[in-house]
Amino acid sequence: AQKVTQAQTEISVVEKEDVTLDCVYETRDTTYYLFWYKQPPSGELVFLIRRNSFDEQNEISGRYSWNFQKSTSSFNFTITASQVVDSAVYFCALSEGGNTGTASKLTFGTGTRLQVML
Amino acid sequence: GAVVSQHPSRVICKSGTSVKIECRSLDFQATTMFWYRQFPKQSLMLMATSNEGSKATYEQGVEKDKFLINHASLTLSTLTVTSAHPEDSSFYICSARDTRSYEQYFGPGTRLTVT
Repeated sequence: AQKVTQAQTEISVVEKEDVTLDCVYETRDTTYYLFWYKQPPSGELVFLIRRNSFDEQNEISGRYSWNFQKSTSSFNFTITASQVVDSAVYFCALSEGGNTGTASKLTFGTGTRLQVML
Repeated sequence: GAVVSQHPSRVICKSGTSVKIECRSLDFQATTMFWYRQFPKQSLMLMATSNEGSKATYEQGVEKDKFLINHASLTLSTLTVTSAHPEDSSFYICSARDTRSYEQYFGPGTRLTVT
């Protein structure tokens, strides 16, 4: 069975601080995909990134960066120089791979609520 | 980019009534759609996988007779909450998988309140 653990329930930081959101996953599949989504108060999920299990390269997109380490089954997300607009709930998710490509059903973590204060 | 719509965005209904929620892929075809439920301050939990032209596959613990899913076309799946009760109040989110690219796109969600 697949499982995603986000141990941090809530994090509060002051604007301009860096913050890392942790994600640890469990799966028996050798091919799988990892995702991060942002959910602002409106509720709509905002896609941030997808990573497949064969690509362990770290990725940077503006103030966002992701660290994927298969050895520790972790896929952590760092926001550099956080801003108030980053306040939201962030979900890490996992899907199995195989011939369905990147979009099988997702198993979500419990989410981390990030509050960025002035 | 690909767009998935849900209708209605919010609905309030009385206990015992049925509510239908639509999920549409606007600019792509989706053989498969997924329905998730999110209770307040909780994670998203998959309820069922909807397949065009066939029966939906429900996750363990989800009552198929209570949550009726119909995927009648390549761009539309509906979720009907039958005989709704206050405990069914939740945020329902669908996602649609593009038949060509296999990319998955989420709808904006439907907030259901049962009084």
